[in-house]
Amino acid sequence: GQSLEQPSEVTAVEGAIVQINCTYQTSGFYGLSWYQQHDGGAPTFLSYNALDGLEETGRFSSFLSRSDSYGYLLLQELQMKDSASYFCANIMDTGRRALTFGSGTRLQVQP
Amino acid sequence: EAGVTQFPSHSVIEKGQTVTLRCDPISGHDNLYWYRRVMGKEIKFLLHFVKESKQDESGMPNNRFLAERTGGTYSTLKVQPAELEDSGVYFCASSQSHILYGYTFGSGTRLTVV
Repeated sequence: GQSLEQPSEVTAVEGAIVQINCTYQTSGFYGLSWYQQHDGGAPTFLSYNALDGLEETGRFSSFLSRSDSYGYLLLQELQMKDSASYFCANIMDTGRRALTFGSGTRLQVQP
Repeated sequence: EAGVTQFPSHSVIEKGQTVTLRCDPISGHDNLYWYRRVMGKEIKFLLHFVKESKQDESGMPNNRFLAERTGGTYSTLKVQPAELEDSGVYFCASSQSHILYGYTFGSGTRLTVV
């Protein structure tokens, strides 16, 4: 089976840096993705890590450590519009392309 | 390019009725997926089409759910008869062949069964 665990809520102030952690237990693992979802909107793809290390895309970075079964999403220079839910998701293998999602972390950015 | 389109955006039906959800993927995306989020829990996989073929339907909860993708274009998900526990948000997503590009999700259909 698979499970991905994330904190349920995180609060931070505008301009700050926040890290959202994701630990996983899977019977197979191919890579870790991150998605952002604003209330009532579509989950939006942010990043994908297939290999260990840091991937940077603008203000957002994602990190993966396969040996620790752990990853995180780092958001820098937080803006009010970053208030949303963030999901980590795993692809078990390329034979099955279904995503398994964590339960999501609700980020609240305060002024 | 146009995104993934789903309709209706909301549907309220009575227990025992039938509802059909529709998804139009991004043009050229052979892969189409259905997911569901129930009661604020995690988003769960339902099934995966490659063109018109069902590649993986391991997430379909029971035989009250029927998905089709005629001609490998749009897809429908029918729930018949609907039960209270079917309430939730149903998402459709499509993707190119390489997973590095991620999946593009639609905004979902919020289904409420009363």
